[in-house]
Amino acid sequence: EVQLVESGGGLVKPGGSLRLSCAVSGFTFNNAWMSWVRQAPGKGLEWVGRIKSETDGGTRDYAAPVKGRFTISRDDSKNTLYLQMNSLKTEDTAVYYCTTVRHYYDSSGYYVFYMDVWGKGTTVTVSS
Amino acid sequence: QSVLTQPPSASGTPGQRVTISCSGSSSNIGDNTVNWYQQLPGTAPKLLIYSNNQRPSGVPDRFSGSKSGTSASLAISGLQSEDEADYYCAAWDDSLNAFYVFGTGTKVTVL
Repeated sequence: EVQLVESGGGLVKPGGSLRLSCAVSGFTFNNAWMSWVRQAPGKGLEWVGRIKSETDGGTRDYAAPVKGRFTISRDDSKNTLYLQMNSLKTEDTAVYYCTTVRHYYDSSGYYVFYMDVWGKGTTVTVSS
Repeated sequence: QSVLTQPPSASGTPGQRVTISCSGSSSNIGDNTVNWYQQLPGTAPKLLIYSNNQRPSGVPDRFSGSKSGTSASLAISGLQSEDEADYYCAAWDDSLNAFYVFGTGTKVTVL
């Protein structure tokens, strides 16, 4: 069974830093693309970013609101995904979810990209 | 900021059919496939439909998805009380720095 378990959330002051972890099990992590998605209190879902597998270059992409402040990384030897969050703002307050990513081109040439399995999330509160 | 537009709410009685729309543009829905996620109260989102109309294993066949042009729809037939949840559409976006975008979300209420 695929399991994703996030940790590292908490209360941090504006301008501070926090590192989230996502421990994975039940699948071959080093072949997987992974992503982070967040949800502010009472709001909708927001894609944070994605990291490709090392065999696919390990490329990372980020949503505009977090680019330059957040960094996604992975330790394939520990089956763990990370989200380093710096220069935190009050608007970064949210539940952060770790997800697996599926991606391919279908028979018609359309790009299929989706979040497959989700963790339960970890809560980050940025407040003075 | 969501670039896919959904109605904020939808409702129906048990057994009815409910449809949720998702409107996008040529850079997202028009050029890529659409996914749907279900979020039950107090829980993490769950993949409901991928690649426009594909159901992951375990998702009941009363849930179906479709896409036409720059819009997509999720239909729930034979509505059940346990379907009361938030539903989000999503798609890859080819715009510069857009990447993956979610819809605004629709709250489905079973009357």
